Amino acid sequence: AQSVTQPDIHITVSEGASLELRCNYSYGATPYLFWYVQSPGQGLQLLLKYFSGDTLVQGIKGFEAEFKRSQSSFNLRKPSVHWSDAAEYFCAVGVNDRAGSYQLTFGKGTKLSVIP
Amino acid sequence: ETGVTQTPRHLVMGMTNKKSLKCEQHLGHNAMYWYKQSAKKPLELMFVYNFKEQTENNSVPSRFSPECPNSSHLFLHLHTLQPEDSALYLCASSPGTGGEQFFGPGTRLTVL
Repeated sequence: AQSVTQPDIHITVSEGASLELRCNYSYGATPYLFWYVQSPGQGLQLLLKYFSGDTLVQGIKGFEAEFKRSQSSFNLRKPSVHWSDAAEYFCAVGVNDRAGSYQLTFGKGTKLSVIP
Repeated sequence: ETGVTQTPRHLVMGMTNKKSLKCEQHLGHNAMYWYKQSAKKPLELMFVYNFKEQTENNSVPSRFSPECPNSSHLFLHLHTLQPEDSALYLCASSPGTGGEQFFGPGTRLTVL
């Protein structure tokens, strides 16, 4: 079965600093990979996705992520963090389990705090 | 309305009550999902519906009963809940054959 590990529970960065959130997955084939962001009391918003092709993907709000097959990783990056980026970030892997059933498996999330 | 909507946004209920959560998607998707999000736990997939048919029940207790009357609407009927069922319940939809899921804002449920 697939799994997702986000090793950092909580990260604090200063506004304007660069950011990297780590994500490792376990799956036998090339999965679909996603990063979502969740503000307090809200649902999840898709930041970016990887299905195939270019391993560096661009998302919304200035985020990007790089798929590294050899490391089973899909780390999220942003060159300069804004205070509004403070939220919880979830990495997910998408798998077609059986005909007609497609599921996302999520990591436990990384909470990002931003110091003004 | 656009995207995925959920009502109510907040719900407080006693253990003997019966209530329902509603989800509606305006995206033309074929698959809909219920997730449970508790503090300090990863999102737990509860149910999957594809073209109105339930394709996944992730060992969810029978006190949670889903209903999908059409591809745009999904309900979660609740009865005889326990305090540990207090959580944020998220609904999502997807085109059905893969890709990203689009989430609603969630219903914050508190069971007293």
